[in-house]
Amino acid sequence: NAGVMQNPRHLVRRRGQEARLRCSPMKGHSHVYWYRQLPEEGLKFMVYLQKENIIDESGMPKERFSAEFPKEGPSILRIQQVVRGDSAAYFCASSPPLDTGELFFGEGSRLTVL
Amino acid sequence: DAKTTQPPSMDCAEGRAANLPCNHSTISGNEYVYWYRQIHSQGPQYIIHGLKNNETNEMASLIITEDRKSSTLILPHATLRDTAVYYCIVRVAEGAQKLVFGQGTRLTINP
Repeated sequence: NAGVMQNPRHLVRRRGQEARLRCSPMKGHSHVYWYRQLPEEGLKFMVYLQKENIIDESGMPKERFSAEFPKEGPSILRIQQVVRGDSAAYFCASSPPLDTGELFFGEGSRLTVL
Repeated sequence: DAKTTQPPSMDCAEGRAANLPCNHSTISGNEYVYWYRQIHSQGPQYIIHGLKNNETNEMASLIITEDRKSSTLILPHATLRDTAVYYCIVRVAEGAQKLVFGQGTRLTINP
């Protein structure tokens, strides 16, 4: 059973471009979480999604950031018009339908904005 | 807005038991204590969780005080690969609840 898959692992964008980060949850998992980790800082919750629904987006910046988890395909975290402050590691986690608090994390996508 | 307090750093000798404390004095009756760790730059890894009874698995043991206001994660025979940041988190076990990570404890295992 493959783990949580994130791609790309590394992404470089220039200021003003768009970044799209993808997350494929573990097989059978229907909950996806996105976290951001700035350099030398802790993990900050961004958004929690179930299939086709955003459950909690309390950690998402109000502008430029969006997330989706369609019925088919991976979850996408989209950052429009990136700025240097968006440079960070973005981690995705998934959990099964019966959520017991055990989250399975991917290896992260590292975004560098030039 | 993490509900836990942990020492920022700890050291432990290889082969010895590593005991990581966590205070969660405002824990609610339906909240569990979870431990995760993050080995340098990797994705966080679940270790263990418990409600009020002590728990043990292949990775670690979790000791929760009777009043549930604090707990200790025990790595019985620490190895160099256990060097990581360890996070103690409280959360209800079921339902649409996010995990809120604090600053954690940076554990360094020394040879």
